[in-house]
Amino acid sequence: SAVISQKPSRDICQRGTSLTIQCQVDSQVTMMFWYRQQPGQSLTLIATANQGSEATYESGFVIDKFPISRPNLTFSTLTVSNMSPEDSSIYLCSVEDPAGGYTFGSGTRLTVV
Amino acid sequence: QKEVEQDPGPLSVPEGAIVSLNCTYSNSAFQYFMWYRQYSRKGPELLMYTYSSGNKEDGRFTAQVDKSSKYISLFIRDSQPSDSATYLCAMSLLTGNNRKLIWGLGTSLAVNP
Repeated sequence: SAVISQKPSRDICQRGTSLTIQCQVDSQVTMMFWYRQQPGQSLTLIATANQGSEATYESGFVIDKFPISRPNLTFSTLTVSNMSPEDSSIYLCSVEDPAGGYTFGSGTRLTVV
Repeated sequence: QKEVEQDPGPLSVPEGAIVSLNCTYSNSAFQYFMWYRQYSRKGPELLMYTYSSGNKEDGRFTAQVDKSSKYISLFIRDSQPSDSATYLCAMSLLTGNNRKLIWGLGTSLAVNP
């Protein structure tokens, strides 16, 4: 299965600022997925990023708040913009495993103060 | 009613015990069933992936799917302290060209030496 390097692993940010999270995959993949994981809640899909096209956002998530880049088949970034304390969460990127299931990065633990 | 229900626990067992983790679901169209393990400060790691009713075994882990009852289980035999983690169930179905993936809340497991 693919190996994903995600960074930063954690950050503490001031409200109103933006943070960009990067994910690098060791193989070419068509789709990359961005999730949010909040305490007491199930994993929530933010958007699906396809190379060469705009990301597809799930209900409740918008491009202005979570812009995504997908410049090639091995890399993607998610930006959390104009942050507020409610954005404090773990953010995860993921790719589909050809053998079934999904592989995840190690996550970015974001705290907004 | 949530599409996937999973008791968040926490569940605490002595070392060597058999652990039973469960999820129920309401959508009979789910085709694929997964169990993930997530250690603190790490991303989810795929443990088991199955698409049919019945049992699938991998070492100390057995995944069981009962589609008639809409119920899946993960059994861990001879549990070890290293099994202490959060276990998430996930289910997916294909709708046209899109795959819909729904996650349980996760069950926190502590195996005590």
